[in-house]
Amino acid sequence: AQSVTQPDIHITVSEGASLELRCNYSYGATPYLFWYVQSPGQGLQLLLKYFSGDTLVQGIKGFEAEFKRSQSSFNLRKPSVHWSDAAEYFCAAEGDSSYKLIFGSGTRLLVRP
Amino acid sequence: NAGVMQNPRHLVRRRGQEARLRCSPMKGHSHVYWYRQLPEEGLKFMVYLQKENIIDESGMPKERFSAEFPKEGPSILRIQQVVRGDSAAYFCASSPSWGMEGLGDEQYFGPGTRLTVT
Repeated sequence: AQSVTQPDIHITVSEGASLELRCNYSYGATPYLFWYVQSPGQGLQLLLKYFSGDTLVQGIKGFEAEFKRSQSSFNLRKPSVHWSDAAEYFCAAEGDSSYKLIFGSGTRLLVRP
Repeated sequence: NAGVMQNPRHLVRRRGQEARLRCSPMKGHSHVYWYRQLPEEGLKFMVYLQKENIIDESGMPKERFSAEFPKEGPSILRIQQVVRGDSAAYFCASSPSWGMEGLGDEQYFGPGTRLTVT
């Protein structure tokens, strides 16, 4: 069955430090992949998505993600974290039907001043 | 342009009561999706609806759960005779249309309804 794994439940980084959030997927073909962010009390906001083409995808708020087929990974990165980036981050992939998103369990990011 | 609206944001029900969760999609969106997030888990797809039609309810429990998206008004997710295991966050998303070549249009998510069953 298709699945999305986010191995890190919590990550803490200092403000200004770089960030990488891990995401692995289990899927036969190349799936469509997404990263969402959820701030407390808010809905999920799409940061970026990968459908095909260039494996390095740029998103909003200075985030980027790289699709690596050989590692079945789609890790999210940001070169310098801001305190406002503290939130929960979800990786997702399209499921067996394109409208069904399969989500990872999320990674909660804490930012130290 | 208001985003996806969900109400109530928090709902407390005793075991055996009914829970009704409402979702108003973004203006111009005719596709609605419901997801459930159990504690410490990711969101899980429940149902996909268009106006007056259930397109895919494969993720919805067969009993006690139902969903509708009437011609007028919000989409409703209804849970009858709630049990403690129904405690979760329920998210609604909407999209404007279904894309070509299997590419789904972006789903815009609401803030969720947190259901607590006591």
